[in-house]
Amino acid sequence: DAGVTQSPTHLIKTRGQQVTLRCSPKSGHDTVSWYQQALGQGPQFIFQYYEEEERQRGNFPDRFSGHQFPNYSSELNVNALLLGDSALYLCASSAQALSYEQYFGPGTRLTVT
Amino acid sequence: TQLLEQSPQFLSIQEGENLTVYCNSSSVFSSLQWYRQEPGEGPVLLVTVVTGGEVKKLKRLTFQFGDARKDSSLHITAAQPGDTGLYLCAGERAAGNKLTFGGGTRVLVKP
Repeated sequence: DAGVTQSPTHLIKTRGQQVTLRCSPKSGHDTVSWYQQALGQGPQFIFQYYEEEERQRGNFPDRFSGHQFPNYSSELNVNALLLGDSALYLCASSAQALSYEQYFGPGTRLTVT
Repeated sequence: TQLLEQSPQFLSIQEGENLTVYCNSSSVFSSLQWYRQEPGEGPVLLVTVVTGGEVKKLKRLTFQFGDARKDSSLHITAAQPGDTGLYLCAGERAAGNKLTFGGGTRVLVKP
């Protein structure tokens, strides 16, 4: 049973560019949440997708957007990259009808230069 | 400002010693989860506590959820070098809701 997968593992971009990160949830899970983790800090909630719609959003600007596909996989898009967007981006999946537990992928390390 | 405050931020101990990590909040959570994270990897779920006063044991790790569901602790007995990592607590207001994380406690267990 594959766990949560994310791609790519590492990414280097220049300020002003756009980036797309991808996530495939754990088998049987239908909800995907995205988190940003800056170096030395705990993860911060960006948004959550369920039934292909954004259900909740954290305190992140509109430059951060996402999408969920019919197969429950998800993308995170960030436009007009800033140096401060450099972080580990984590995807977590869960089953809406079941428990509180969320399972995380290995993350995508984004570096903005 | 973190809604969940973890203490201490860093802990360095010798193999065989015990340690306790605290996670405190002024808010009530419907559940609290503990994760361990290795460098460059995603957090790995250790345990979920949902009932006030609940105590869960996972081998040498003991997790407790406060009676008021505002705080939690993680106690490791006879720590081993393999316990080294970043320990994160995360609270959830309702099932399927967003996780609010603490700042993490970095634990180093020296052989």
